[in-house]
Amino acid sequence: EDQVTQSPEALRLQEGESSSLNCSYTVSGLRGLFWYRQDPGKGPEFLFTLYSAGEEKEKERLKATLTKKESFLHITAPKPEDSATYLCAVQKEYGNKLVFGAGTILRVKS
Amino acid sequence: DSGVTQTPKHLITATGQRVTLRCSPRSGDLSVYWYQQSLDQGLQFLIQYYNGEERAKGNILERFSAQQFPDLHSELNLSSLELGDSALYFCASSVGRGQSNEKLFFGSGTQLSVL
Repeated sequence: EDQVTQSPEALRLQEGESSSLNCSYTVSGLRGLFWYRQDPGKGPEFLFTLYSAGEEKEKERLKATLTKKESFLHITAPKPEDSATYLCAVQKEYGNKLVFGAGTILRVKS
Repeated sequence: DSGVTQTPKHLITATGQRVTLRCSPRSGDLSVYWYQQSLDQGLQFLIQYYNGEERAKGNILERFSAQQFPDLHSELNLSSLELGDSALYFCASSVGRGQSNEKLFFGSGTQLSVL
């Protein structure tokens, strides 16, 4: 069965304190791994898509990396506005649906 | 603003009732997806429509049905509602059939409360 596990469930950081979020997955044939950000009361907002092991993508203070079994979302010098739930999702080969993890709730305090 | 419009934002109803959730995709997007988000299950894929045709099906109950109309808006119908159906229902859209390089754009959701 396809599974996506995110850790930690919640993370509290001080402003400027860098850290990483983990997404481990078991899926037969990966087409893509997605990272989304979700703010309270809103829908998920697309951040990155990664397709193959070794790939990296960056956007502002965020950097996503992918291995054969997991992905990391690195947050460098976070700010309070980075506070949100970060969701990881995988898409199987020959499938259209995304399988989402439970998310990591990030709180950045000033 | 993602460009995906969902109505209503909140819906309160009783067990056994039937409700309809509506979604208008981004201009130019042909695919519409429905997802259910609950505290214990997370974000779960329900169904996808592409240009009016059902494209993929996920964990959608038989009591639930959806359709996509010629103007590409979509409706999700939930019937014989149970307490456990209370959740946030999201609609998302994408430009094509759902290839791996397509981004999904999500609406703000409809919060359904079944009392």
